[in-house]
Order: sequence, then structure tokens, then C-alpha cells
Amino acid sequence: GNSVTQMEGPVTLSEEAFLTINCTYTATGYPSLFWYVQYPGEGLQLLLKATKADDKGSNKGFEATYRKETTSFHLEKGSVQVSDSAVYFCALRSAGNMLTFGGGTRLMVKP
Amino acid sequence: DSGVTQTPKHLITATGQRVTLRCSPRSGDLSVYWYQQSLDQGLQFLIQYYNGEERAKGNILERFSAQQFPDLHSELNLSSLELGDSALYFCASSPRVAASTDTQYFGPGTRLTVL
Repeated sequence: GNSVTQMEGPVTLSEEAFLTINCTYTATGYPSLFWYVQYPGEGLQLLLKATKADDKGSNKGFEATYRKETTSFHLEKGSVQVSDSAVYFCALRSAGNMLTFGGGTRLMVKP
Repeated sequence: DSGVTQTPKHLITATGQRVTLRCSPRSGDLSVYWYQQSLDQGLQFLIQYYNGEERAKGNILERFSAQQFPDLHSELNLSSLELGDSALYFCASSPRVAASTDTQYFGPGTRLTVL
């Protein structure tokens, strides 16, 4: 079956540091890949997505590239801000329709 | 704001009780999904409806059921509640039934606490 593995958190960074959150997946077929973000006390918001190999999703300074050869979709940001503190979820969606989520990675950014 | 609405925001009840969670999808979306977020199980897919018909089932307990009405809103019914059912329940919607490229937009969630 499908599965998503994310690096465990929490990840603690200083403001303006470089961020990488690793995500690897196992899936049949050709899934679409997503990053969702959950701010404290809120629901899930789509951050970015990629629907085929080598696609790069980007939004709000965050980027992730769909790497089929390494089955990865790592999230990166060049300079994090305190306001980026949240829980980040990597997810995939294949023909089965439902999203399969990773366990989430909590990011804490200190001023 | 995703356009998906969920009510109530919070729900506190006792073991053995029954509750109903409500979701209205984004305008034009025909698919509705329910997910459960708990500390021990993470985010898990429960069930999907498309245009009133059940389309997919995930890790949904037999004590739980759902339906989607002609106006496309959906309700998730949880009965014989146990302490372990305490969780955040999310509804999501998307336009089509089986397009893996479609984004699912999530509501703000209903936090259920079973005492």
C-alpha cells in the first residue's frame, strides 16, 4: 500500500536559517505529492503540490521537487521566519483518491 | 479561508454518547472526504462521498457512519463514543471523484473531546 515517511521533529531553527524537511514515499502508479501546513489551532492548508516527476511546487518561498528516482519530495526554504512555525505534513494521492499523510514535522523558528 | 465549513468547532461529550459532525464543501465541489487526526494515529482517511454516493472507505470504525445529502453537505455520525475517539475531525472537498491531481481543501476541523 501507499505510505509516506517524514523526518521526525521537532525541528528548531533560528530566523533566516535554511530549512529542509525530508519526505519519502512508497506508492503504486504515479501519485501526486503535496505539502500541507497546520498552524497552531488551525486546519490544514495546502502549501504546494507537484503532480508528475521532476515538477517543482513552490509557494511563499517554500519549494519541493518531485523526484521519482529517489521517491522523495523534500521541502525547502532558504530563509525561515518566526511565522513559519507550524506542523508540516507531506502527503500523496494516487488513484485511490484519499490522501496518505506522513506523521508531520513540527517546525519551531526562534527569533 | 478554504471555503470548506465545519460545525461545530468544538464538541465535548461523554462516553457512550452519539454526536454528528457537519461539513459543507467548497462551492462546486462534489467530493467530500473525512479524516481523523489523533496523537497516536496521526492523520487518517475515514471515508469519501461523491455526489451523494459512498466511494471509498479507509480506517473507519463500524460505530462511525457518514452520508452526503442532495445539497452536497455531509455529516459524520459517531456513536457509542469511547475515550479514544477524542480527536480532531477534518472534512475536505475536491471537484472530482478520482483525479489524483486535484487538490483537497480542508475545513478548520471539529475538535471532539470524549470524557
